[in-house]
Amino acid sequence: NAGVTQTPKFRVLKTGQSMTLLCAQDMNHEYMYWYRQDPGMGLRLIHYSVGEGTTAKGEVPDGYNVSRLKKQNFLLGLESAAPSQTSVYFCASRPWVDEKLFFGSGTQLSVL
Amino acid sequence: KQEVTQIPAALSVPEGENLVLNCSFTDSAIYNLQWFRQDPGKGLTSLLLIQSSQREQTSGRLNASLDKSSGRSTLYIAASQPGDSATYLCAVRLIQGAQKLVFGQGTRLTINP
Repeated sequence: NAGVTQTPKFRVLKTGQSMTLLCAQDMNHEYMYWYRQDPGMGLRLIHYSVGEGTTAKGEVPDGYNVSRLKKQNFLLGLESAAPSQTSVYFCASRPWVDEKLFFGSGTQLSVL
Repeated sequence: KQEVTQIPAALSVPEGENLVLNCSFTDSAIYNLQWFRQDPGKGLTSLLLIQSSQREQTSGRLNASLDKSSGRSTLYIAASQPGDSATYLCAVRLIQGAQKLVFGQGTRLTINP
């Protein structure tokens, strides 16, 4: 029972490069979220999805895009990485009827 | 704007003590409040969730209370153990903008053997 799996775990990018972070959950959850965690800023919501084929902006969506083509996967894309996007990224999911969030172990991203 | 504050930022206590972690929030219009644990280099694990209509929730040695009118929640840990060492975060879900959780900065707890 894997829960929420994030890949990759670590990544270093140069400014202007693009990449995609993958989040996969095997709990058949409807809701999925992408957060970033920065020292002194806490966790902030980037984008979220309430079901397959839906996405919505969170608190800090600029510079990111997301897609949810399959219920179990939620992808976070950086089209042109900037040093300000250096952070730890967490994916989370929850079922329709329960508020309890399940988190992945995070992706540490450095943009040089 | 909702703000969530956790004081102190760090706490160190000897094993076996009972302790209380504090969480305060500025807007009482919340849907629920959730306490999480985060181990170094790991994701968050949900410990307890309190709905806005509830006063407290218990799980094993953990008890979380909610006083919505005063904008406060506490997490009580009984008979602390070294394995309880972690960062504890609280988060409130807003009634408006319902998918957004507002997190506190966390309290880093160290239990000394």
